[in-house]
Amino acid sequence: DTGVSQNPRHKITKRGQNVTFRCDPISEHNRLYWYRQTLGQGPEFLTYFQNEAQLEKSRLLSDRFSAERPKGSFSTLEIQRTEQGDSAMYLCASSLSTGGSFLAGGNQPQHFGDGTRLSIL
Amino acid sequence: QKEVEQNSGPLSVPEGAIASLNCTYSDRGSQSFFWYRQYSGKSPELIMFIYSNGDKEDGRFTAQLNKASQYVSLLIRDSQPSDSATYLCAGTSSGGSNYKLTFGKGTLLTVNP
Repeated sequence: DTGVSQNPRHKITKRGQNVTFRCDPISEHNRLYWYRQTLGQGPEFLTYFQNEAQLEKSRLLSDRFSAERPKGSFSTLEIQRTEQGDSAMYLCASSLSTGGSFLAGGNQPQHFGDGTRLSIL
Repeated sequence: QKEVEQNSGPLSVPEGAIASLNCTYSDRGSQSFFWYRQYSGKSPELIMFIYSNGDKEDGRFTAQLNKASQYVSLLIRDSQPSDSATYLCAGTSSGGSNYKLTFGKGTLLTVNP
């Protein structure tokens, strides 16, 4: 079990530039999530994929943000025209769902990667 | 706005003591709850999850859930300095969004040798 892998670990960029982050989930996990965490806060949900389908996007995800998960494997999160307020830790998580509830064992907990810390100059 | 509230801390306990972390939630339809531990600069690490009323024990950790009171807690027995971290409480959203986690702001725990 290699865990959830995120790259890069750190990204420093100037305001207005575009950035792209990558997430490789645990291999058998069909669900993938992106969260954003700022200092002193818990992670906030951004978006979610079931296999290759993006099934929900938070209102936090402005038009400058786009996420993809081609072929249901790795995922990328792109931020265009970065702003100071985009500075945060971007966390990716994955889980396995075979249908049903947690109680029935059909929906497993989410496991997080080490995150990408984005700093906007 | 569905929320998860945690006692803000920081919480400081001596080594060997019991640390008690508490969490309340507003989404009455939330089914499952999770405790994550997060060391400074690191990602959240799953400690425990619970979805039935009552207690769930795993080693030194006990999670408690009371759905009527909308209350979740985590007890850490025989606290060790290595337990010093921020503890995040999270609950799933109700209905068709049960994959989505809502996190509290976290409670910083310090275990003093």
